[in-house]
Amino acid sequence: EIVLTQSPATLSLSPGERATLSCRASQSVTKYLAWYQLKAGQAPRLLIYDAFNRATGIPARFSGSGSGTDFTLAISSLEPEDSAVYYCQQRINWPYTFGQGTKLEIK
Amino acid sequence: EVQLVESGGGLVQPGGSLRLSCVASGFTFSSYWMSWVRQAPRRGLEWVASIKHDGSEIQYGDSVKHRFTIYRDSAQNSLYLQMDSLRVEDTAIYYCAKVVIPFDTGAFDIWGQGTMVTVSS
Repeated sequence: EIVLTQSPATLSLSPGERATLSCRASQSVTKYLAWYQLKAGQAPRLLIYDAFNRATGIPARFSGSGSGTDFTLAISSLEPEDSAVYYCQQRINWPYTFGQGTKLEIK
Repeated sequence: EVQLVESGGGLVQPGGSLRLSCVASGFTFSSYWMSWVRQAPRRGLEWVASIKHDGSEIQYGDSVKHRFTIYRDSAQNSLYLQMDSLRVEDTAIYYCAKVVIPFDTGAFDIWGQGTMVTVSS
């Protein structure tokens, strides 16, 4: 099973700042990594798939990068509604696995 | 509008069974892999099971293998999860999810609203 390790566990930033979230895989997932946003009481929302492709309707301030074992989700110019938990997920091997999440707090 | 609507959750005793349903609309259901993903209380996301667009391939997470069965009915645009031998640790919100690219495994771009399953005596 591929283990995904996300860092930091918690990130506290102010509106307008840039957030950088990391996801590291225990073995190469090539480009097959996705990022999701999860808010309390809502279904997960796909942000990025296959490392850098923005999902439909996702603002350009969300961007993904990386390949192999190291990936980054960047959120430029944070807005209050970006407060959420962010998860990465790999789909190169079964079982699909998620990271443990990064909680982003907007001050 | 692309939509997934789950139903069938509820309270069940340990060892019991439950069947979840997910009705799809707004897209060609028979062209997409479909999956179930769950979130236990105060926990992260966990992939449960996936089924190929034509039903010819099925995958399960280790924690549910041999207890849960995923299947689909393209005539009804529906996805199901039969859950047997339920355990307290199966308590979670269960989401039905569609992949982003047809005929490919992939990230989950459309999710249902979730249905809560509580396993408790």
